[in-house]
Amino acid sequence: ETGVTQSPTHLIKTRGQQVTLRCSSQSGHNTVSWYQQALGQGPQFIFQYYREEENGRGNFPPRFSGLQFPNYSSELNVNALELDDSALYLCASSPGRSLYVEQYFGPGTRLTVT
Amino acid sequence: AQTVTQSQPEMSVQEAETVTLSCTYDTSENNYYLFWYKQPPSRQMILVIRQEAYKQQNATENRFSVNFQKAAKSFSLKISDSQLGDTAMYFCAFMKPYSGGGADGLTFGKGTHLIIQP
Repeated sequence: ETGVTQSPTHLIKTRGQQVTLRCSSQSGHNTVSWYQQALGQGPQFIFQYYREEENGRGNFPPRFSGLQFPNYSSELNVNALELDDSALYLCASSPGRSLYVEQYFGPGTRLTVT
Repeated sequence: AQTVTQSQPEMSVQEAETVTLSCTYDTSENNYYLFWYKQPPSRQMILVIRQEAYKQQNATENRFSVNFQKAAKSFSLKISDSQLGDTAMYFCAFMKPYSGGGADGLTFGKGTHLIIQP
C-alpha cells in the first residue's frame, strides 16, 4: 500500500507568481484535504475535496483553489503569491466521508515566496 | 468556531521519564473528536492517539495516554517511558464529526516541541 506523496518537496517562487502543488492520495482514498502550516504554527485547513468536488473550505481567499482528479490525486493552486504564503503545505487523504475517518498526511511541500 | 490552545511551546525531559503535554480547547459542540499528532523533523504528521468526546474512558495507545476532561475542555497527553524517538513537535487537534454539509477539517493548536534528552 502506497502512502500519501506530495511534489515537489521544496519550491521557491516570486511574489505575484502562480504555483501548483500536487498530492497523490493513499490507495483507496477518495477524499483529500489541504492544510497550510506557517513557520512555528499548527496547520490550518484550506479545503477538502471529495470525489472531485470541493467539500468544505477554511478561511482562505479564492486565489487558493484546488482540483481533484478521477484517480483522486489532487492539486492546490495559489495565484498572485504573497510573502505570507510562504509555508509548508500538507495534504491528507482519507477513505471517504463518515462521522469520523482518519486522515493520512503526506510529507508536505515547503513553499518559499521571495 | 473552534480554538485549540497549547500553552507549552517547548518541553524537555530525560529519556525514560514521563511527560505530560497540555491542551485546552473551546467549542460549543457536544460531539467531536480530539487528537494528538506527532510531527518529527521529516515533517510528516503522524496520528498518536484519538479520543471521541462521547466516550468517558480515556484513550490509551501503548506508552501514550490522554486525560480527557470534557467539562473543563482539557485534553492532555501523557507519554510514559519516553524514548529518544519521541522527540518531535506535538499538535493537539479538534474535529467535528462529518454531518453531511461541508467539512471543517482539523483545527490544530500551535504545538509543543518535545525534546527527549539522552
